[in-house]
Amino acid sequence: DVLMTQTPVSLPVSLGGQVSISCRSSQSLVHSDGNTYLHWYLQKPGQSPQLLIYRVSNRFSGVPDRFSGSGSGTDFTLKISRVEPEDLGVYYCLQSTHFPWTFGGGTKLELK
Amino acid sequence: EVQLAESGGGLVQPGRSLKLSCAASGFTFSDYYMAWVRQAPTKGLEWVASISYDGGSTYYRDSVKGRFTISRDNAKSSLYLQMDSLRSEDTATYYCTTDLAYWGQGTLVTVSS
Repeated sequence: DVLMTQTPVSLPVSLGGQVSISCRSSQSLVHSDGNTYLHWYLQKPGQSPQLLIYRVSNRFSGVPDRFSGSGSGTDFTLKISRVEPEDLGVYYCLQSTHFPWTFGGGTKLELK
Repeated sequence: EVQLAESGGGLVQPGRSLKLSCAASGFTFSDYYMAWVRQAPTKGLEWVASISYDGGSTYYRDSVKGRFTISRDNAKSSLYLQMDSLRSEDTATYYCTTDLAYWGQGTLVTVSS
C-alpha cells in the first residue's frame, strides 16, 4: 500500500496568516495515464470531508484562491494564505493513483 | 445541486450483516465512479471500496475483501454496500462519495455485542 505521510500533525495559525501542509508518498503518484491523482480535503468539526484541490493543483468548484496545491512525484504541498476562521479543521491528502487509495493521517489547523 | 444521502447504519452484533444505501440526486449518476469511505470514531479517513460507472468493475481494501460487496443501481441512482461478517473494527461512519468529489453526511455503523 502507498503510505501517505502528512506533516505537521498540528498547525497553529493566526487569522490572516499563511501556512503550508506537506504530504509525501512512499511511491510515485504518477498514473500510467500521465495524471497524478493527489487530492486535498478539509473536514470541519462534525462535517463530512470537502474537496479543496484535485489532481495536485486544481481548485474544486467554489474553493477560494487562498488555497493552492503544488508538487509532483512523491512530494506535495497545500498552501493556505490569509487564513480565515472557516479554514479551521483537519486537512487530509489522498492518493487515488494506486489501489488501495490511501489518505494521509491528517493535519489539524487551529488557532494560536 | 448534488446530494448524497446515506442510510442503513445502526448497531449490529459482530458476525451479523448490514446493508448501507446511498441515494444520489442532482447529477447523472451513471456518469460517475462511486466509492465508500469510512471514518472510525476520532480517527482518520479510510477508503473502503469503489465501483465503476456500470458496476462492471469493483475494488476493495484488503480488510473488507470477501466480506463487503459494493453495488449500484443506475436506474435508481443508488449505491449500496452489503457488509457481512461484521467485526468491531468496522465500527465507523460510512460516507458515500461521487468520484471523491461530493460526499454525503455519512451513516454510523456500530459493531458491538
